[in-house]
Amino acid sequence: SQKIEQNSEALNIQEGKTATLTCNYTNYSPAYLQWYRQDPGRGPVFLLLIRENEKEKRKERLKVTFDTTLKQSLFHITASQPADSATYLCARGVGDSSYKLIFGSGTRLLVRP
Amino acid sequence: DTAVSQTPKYLVTQMGNDKSIKCEQNLGHDTMYWYKQDSKKFLKIMFSYNNKELIINETVPNRFSPKSPDKAHLNLHINSLELGDSAVYFCASSYDREGDYGYTFGSGTRLTVV
Repeated sequence: SQKIEQNSEALNIQEGKTATLTCNYTNYSPAYLQWYRQDPGRGPVFLLLIRENEKEKRKERLKVTFDTTLKQSLFHITASQPADSATYLCARGVGDSSYKLIFGSGTRLLVRP
Repeated sequence: DTAVSQTPKYLVTQMGNDKSIKCEQNLGHDTMYWYKQDSKKFLKIMFSYNNKELIINETVPNRFSPKSPDKAHLNLHINSLELGDSAVYFCASSYDREGDYGYTFGSGTRLTVV
């Protein structure tokens, strides 16, 4: 079955550094991977989508990569700020005519001032 | 304007009761979902509707019954609530059934069964 694995340990970094979060998937490559941010007591918020044929995608301070050989996506936040502290979720699509998103358990990011 | 709104935000109820959670989206999306997030923070899909048609029905107890009166609304009714049903339930919507423009989630309903 298709799975999404994210590091369950929190990532603790200093403000201004680059945060890098890892998402690994199993079985065949999905058509796309999505990244979401979730704050405590709130619903996930969509950040970025990267397609299988895209190596890299950027949005402001965010960068996502998709490596089909390693079956892995990396999510980078450059010049991190305390306001970036949250849980970041990776998700893959599964299915043919009725797509559904399967989520990883998320990685908590803590940015120290 | 709230894009995906769920009510209630908190729900505390006794075992055996029946309860409903309502969801509405004003984004004009075709597809709506119910997800359950357990204490370990895993988001797991339960149901999906596309234009009022049920397209995804995961292995969910029959006590859970979704209803979509129109494509802007997706409600979740739960019969005979059990302790294990305690979780946060999220409603979400997407532009189409492929979801490749991302999902928009509601703020969640925290259900506590005592």
